[in-house]
Amino acid sequence: AQRVTQPEKLLSVFKGAPVELKCNYSYSGSPELFWYVQYSRQRLQLLLRHISRESIKGFTADLNKGETSFHLKKPFAQEEDSAMYYCAPPQNTGTASKLTFGTGTRLQVTL
Amino acid sequence: DAGVIQSPRHEVTEMGQEVTLRCKPISGHNSLFWYRQTMMRGLELLIYFNNNVPIDDSGMPEDRFSAKMPNASFSTLKIQPSEPRDSAVYFCASSLREGDLVFGSGTQLSVL
Repeated sequence: AQRVTQPEKLLSVFKGAPVELKCNYSYSGSPELFWYVQYSRQRLQLLLRHISRESIKGFTADLNKGETSFHLKKPFAQEEDSAMYYCAPPQNTGTASKLTFGTGTRLQVTL
Repeated sequence: DAGVIQSPRHEVTEMGQEVTLRCKPISGHNSLFWYRQTMMRGLELLIYFNNNVPIDDSGMPEDRFSAKMPNASFSTLKIQPSEPRDSAVYFCASSLREGDLVFGSGTQLSVL
C-alpha cells in the first residue's frame, strides 16, 4: 500500500522565515501526491497536487523520486499560513480511488 | 452549489445511544468518503463509496459502525451503540476527480 510519513507533528516558524513541511512516501513507481490544508475552524481543502506543478498561496511541492519526498515549501511564512497540513497519496483500488492522509503537521507562524 | 453538507454540526449523546450522521455530497460527484478526525489518530478513512456502492469499509472500526448510500445525493453513518471513545469530528467528502476531495464542515460528536 502507498504510505506517507509526516515526521513533524508541530512546526513553529517566525513570520518571514522559510517553511518546509516534510512528507516522505514509501512506494515505488510514479506516485501522485496531494497536499491538503485545514485552517482554524474551516474545512479541509485541497492545497495543491504535484502533477499540476503550480504554486498556491506561495507554496510549492516538488516530487523528489531519489529521496522519495514531496516536501511543501514556502520562502516566506505568513501568519495566515498557520494551519494543519496533510500529505496524501491516492490509492487506486481498481474501481475507484481513495485518499488516505498522513498524520499531519501543524504549522504555527509567530511574530 | 452549497458544497458538501453535513448534519448535525454538533451532536452530544450518552453512551449506548444510537447516533446518525448525515451527508449530502456535491451534485455530480461520484465518490463519497467518510473520515474521522481525532487528536491522537489524525484523519482516518472509515469507508468510501463509488457510484453509491461501498468500495472499501476496512477503516470502519467495529460492527457498531455502519454506513449507507441509498442514492447519489445522500449518505448516513450510524453508530449503534455509541461509546465515549467514538467522540471525534466526522467528515464527509465527495469527489469527481481522483484525489480532489471536497469536504463538508464536519460533525463534532461527543459521547458522554
